[in-house]
Amino acid sequence: DAGITQSPRHKVTETGTPVTLRCHQTENHRYMYWYRQDPGHGLRLIHYSYGVKDTDKGEVSDGYSVSRSKTEDFLLTLESATSSQTSVYFCAIRGTLLNSPLHFGNGTRLTVT
Amino acid sequence: DAKTTQPTSMDCAEGRAANLPCNHSTISGNEYVYWYRQIHSQGPQYIIHGLKNNETNEMASLIITEDRKSSTLILPHATLRDTAVYYCIVSVNQGNAAGNKLTFGGGTRVLVKP
Repeated sequence: DAGITQSPRHKVTETGTPVTLRCHQTENHRYMYWYRQDPGHGLRLIHYSYGVKDTDKGEVSDGYSVSRSKTEDFLLTLESATSSQTSVYFCAIRGTLLNSPLHFGNGTRLTVT
Repeated sequence: DAKTTQPTSMDCAEGRAANLPCNHSTISGNEYVYWYRQIHSQGPQYIIHGLKNNETNEMASLIITEDRKSSTLILPHATLRDTAVYYCIVSVNQGNAAGNKLTFGGGTRVLVKP
């Protein structure tokens, strides 16, 4: 299994509070991604990174920010959590070869009350 | 990206081969076929991918028809731990850092029975 660790695995927070989710990889892969998975919507890309300090928006980036200060860590921050951000969040990594597959972490289940 | 069609569910017997079909009749020449599975409460797990040749790894075999309009994932000796939702995805990397846009559809719910 790809060396991807997401923390925390579960979190409950209140509306309006900031939340940071962490993704840590041991594969030294350049590309890292944050997805959310919701019933009826499948997996949707939030943000991705193509190197240290290099990030870009995905299809559902509003309300989220990311940072990557080290190759191994990719942080997802909800600046002010809302109930619509209740979801399961998955981090993924990818090798450099074109069409390399994604490898996913085991997710963080976030509940915003 | 091309759309895929998979059976909603299927059962298979433990120890037997599981053959999971996928139709992707609108696949374009540079699109790869990827298979992932998701076991309840875990992240999607990559299984295998291919372009036009059959592929095999330690988990499964992927058989792609000559016209590339369909494929079959074969789990050679299904175990109870193979019970999961299996997703067939066709996609291509557009050459940017966003990589492949993976659209996970409904997938096939596979139940391996003792």
